Amino acid sequence: EPEVTQTPSHQVTQMGQEVILRCVPISNHLYFYWYRQILGQKVEFLVSFYNNEISEKSEIFDDQFSVERPDGSNFTLKIRSTKLEDSAMYFCASTFSGGPYNEQFFGPGTRLTVL
Amino acid sequence: AQRVTQPEKLLSVFKGAPVELKCNYSYSGSPELFWYVQYSRQRLQLLLRHISRESIKGFTADLNKGETSFHLKKPFAQEEDSAMYYCALTSQTSGSRLTFGEGTQLTVNP
Repeated sequence: EPEVTQTPSHQVTQMGQEVILRCVPISNHLYFYWYRQILGQKVEFLVSFYNNEISEKSEIFDDQFSVERPDGSNFTLKIRSTKLEDSAMYFCASTFSGGPYNEQFFGPGTRLTVL
Repeated sequence: AQRVTQPEKLLSVFKGAPVELKCNYSYSGSPELFWYVQYSRQRLQLLLRHISRESIKGFTADLNKGETSFHLKKPFAQEEDSAMYYCALTSQTSGSRLTFGEGTQLTVNP
């Protein structure tokens, strides 16, 4: 059964460094998402992406964040200058069609630790 | 603004006992509600959704618009039900973003 994959599983970085988190959505899916979960807190929506552009973003998704689908299979989240408070689990998700009824398929997550 | 609340962080029951995981939401429009589950060392996955009115692995959930609740129930818990359960909401007007509750860690003891 196809699955969403994410790399790396764990990323450690120094504050101020740039990181790129990678996701490979399920191949025929068209809508892509990033969520994050700070330890002990809720899973929070960051951004949704469709047709090579951002469809929606949360207030968390500020100018230091960007997303890209560089090659038709990968979907990346870049954090330009990491802060300590960016330490979290980052989940990628995908779905075939948008709209509120559809199951989102989640990746296993990337744990980002900012030192 | 939409919000989901799961009042219990931890819930522990014995095998064979009934279990109810509570979920309350606030949203002024017409929400779509989901339960997602995360078993140990596995990814988040959909358990059930309100619109399907289905029973999955013996679990059911009824949307009560008057009480703004979507509690998850199972009459006889099994040890393999031990997991983290997240209630989530989306809506026609919020696009497809999921708003999650805090999650409830369910432990089913033998």
